[in-house]
Amino acid sequence: QVQLVQSGAEVKKPGASVKVSCKASGYTFSSYAVHWVRQAPGQRLEWMGWINTANGNTKYSQKFQVRVTITRDASASTAYMELSSLRSEDTAVYFCAREDSGNYYDYWGQGTLVTVSS
Amino acid sequence: QSVLTQPPSVSGAPGQRVTISCTGSSSNIGAGYDVHWYQQLPGTAPKLLIYGNSKRPSGVPDRFSGSKSGTSASLAITGLQAEDEADYYCQSYDSRLSSYVFGTGTKVTVL
Repeated sequence: QVQLVQSGAEVKKPGASVKVSCKASGYTFSSYAVHWVRQAPGQRLEWMGWINTANGNTKYSQKFQVRVTITRDASASTAYMELSSLRSEDTAVYFCAREDSGNYYDYWGQGTLVTVSS
Repeated sequence: QSVLTQPPSVSGAPGQRVTISCTGSSSNIGAGYDVHWYQQLPGTAPKLLIYGNSKRPSGVPDRFSGSKSGTSASLAITGLQAEDEADYYCQSYDSRLSSYVFGTGTKVTVL
């Protein structure tokens, strides 16, 4: 069965960076794009960017353009999202999600809580 | 920026029908991009409920239905059940922002 398993919770200080992983199983990793979506406490879902897992091409939300980097290791069927220059407003649950061909997300990771606090 | 607007909350008694609207603009829903819906139970990841405006993934009860018209879309839940109490989000693509976008979210309460 399709699964996306994310790395564990992180606590970071303001100004630091965080890197979250998303390991895929149960399907051909390079056949589907992986997106990253975050959700601050009590807030709506917010799209951050995506990676073409076949060739590594990426596209980021304008909001996160300068601070986010999405990569993948195809040999490990794993996607990564790194967010730099963290501030308290980045405290959120970060989800990876698999995109089906119709621009929607059919499978999601369990989420990774990133807490930014001094 | 919230480009897809949903009502903050809707409620209904068990067995009733509720609808959730998702209002967009000419650069997203009105441009012809499909609308998709997700259900998020407390403390869990979103789950795909409706894709391509009105299609249900395998395993989603037919109590859930979706529609789209003009610059808006709707999710209807008929025969409301206690287990339907959750947050619901619409999602589409916006060509002006070159970005995937989510709605503001709607909390469904079963009275």
